[in-house]
Amino acid sequence: GAGVSQSPRYKVAKRGQDVALRCDPISGHVSLFWYQQALGQGPEFLTYFQNEAQLDKSGLPSDRFFAERPEGSVSTLKIQRTQQEDSAVYLCASSRNDRGLSNEKLFFGSGTQLSVL
Amino acid sequence: KQEVTQIPAALSVPEGENLVLNCSFTDSAIYNLQWFRQDPGKGLTSLLLIQSSQREQTSGRLNASLDKSSGRSTLYIAASQPGDSATYLCAVRPRETSGSRLTFGEGTQLTVNP
Repeated sequence: GAGVSQSPRYKVAKRGQDVALRCDPISGHVSLFWYQQALGQGPEFLTYFQNEAQLDKSGLPSDRFFAERPEGSVSTLKIQRTQQEDSAVYLCASSRNDRGLSNEKLFFGSGTQLSVL
Repeated sequence: KQEVTQIPAALSVPEGENLVLNCSFTDSAIYNLQWFRQDPGKGLTSLLLIQSSQREQTSGRLNASLDKSSGRSTLYIAASQPGDSATYLCAVRPRETSGSRLTFGEGTQLTVNP
């Protein structure tokens, strides 16, 4: 596609509900990242994929957070038993390069705004 | 742990002014530094990327400088326009990891008044 696409654009969940957020990266992009952005803050790293391999998940805040990219393209971020502190914008980004140390720019999606009531 | 700080948190200027946004980071062992723009309800758009070996990068009315040894970067915007109104974020990529995580500052919210 022309850019990184995320869905849904907005998600309202009741506390305790499970949610799934989808990211369609730019076609052919090898690297995919998830970031969490709380209101008024900069994005915080969650996890990184190179193709289907999850190479870094050290930013996931708890075991309620799970991400996958089974075929090396679309990725899903799942949050189980959502809590109010999970409310944030979840941003997905991709880049073409498959090397770990890269000077390539990241392309970000518009994000999914999650509100947990 | 790398920490990135941006000053000021918010800035309001009249159209046509030149302005400087500041970014500082605590660990100088970085691979590169990027400046991003974020419009309300939108994702981030990369503006400039400076490699650790470079001192500055320019794109149109934007100029970003990097002083790695002192842990500082500045984004200079010349002849500001109302369309420049947005939040500007700087982010550093660490050298020691093989991954690609970025550490972001909290951003500077810029308003350019017509």
